[in-house]
Amino acid sequence: GEDVEQSLFLSVREGDSSVINCTYTDSSSTYLYWYKQEPGAGLQLLTYIFSNMDMKQDQRLTVLLNKKDKHLSLRIADTQTGDSAIYFCAEGMDSSYKLIFGSGTRLLVRP
Amino acid sequence: DGGITQSPKYLFRKEGQNVTLSCEQNLNHDAMYWYRQDPGQGLRLIYYSQIVNDFQKGDIAEGYSVSREKKESFPLTVTSAQKNPTAFYLCASEGVDEQFFGPGTRLTVL
Repeated sequence: GEDVEQSLFLSVREGDSSVINCTYTDSSSTYLYWYKQEPGAGLQLLTYIFSNMDMKQDQRLTVLLNKKDKHLSLRIADTQTGDSAIYFCAEGMDSSYKLIFGSGTRLLVRP
Repeated sequence: DGGITQSPKYLFRKEGQNVTLSCEQNLNHDAMYWYRQDPGQGLRLIYYSQIVNDFQKGDIAEGYSVSREKKESFPLTVTSAQKNPTAFYLCASEGVDEQFFGPGTRLTVL
């Protein structure tokens, strides 16, 4: 069945790197997404990666995909207090209408 | 500016009342979605519409209804049949490879 799992909480010091992990079960996923949600707001797409890629870098963000282990990670370099939010990973498929979301990881950045 | 809007931001309802949440987009997207978010949980799909005058149930459609009379609009009605309606509701529309989300409506049943 379809399932996306994330750890619930991560705390880092300002300036350090953050790594948020996600595992998924559906090997037919075509796209894997990272969304950011600030308190009381909607979701903002941060980045996404096609399933035929291993890595994608976009400024401070690095996404790594291990298809064999069905593991996705988001690394945020030089984490800032403004990065404090909930981060959701999601998987999508060409053959399906919907995204499957994880339960979200709350990132807390300590000054 | 192009985007997706939801109103109101906060909504209070008495038990037994129906209430309608608004979602509008000017992105010219065909597909639109409604999700429900509960604390500590991911998003769950309520309804989706891939084209005007057509919509399909998602994973948790019971107690909800939608309409799609215009491309720009996809309102969600939370009916009195929904047993636990207090939640944060998110609307999204779909472009190429990406879903764009509105700011959400927080519904509280008193």
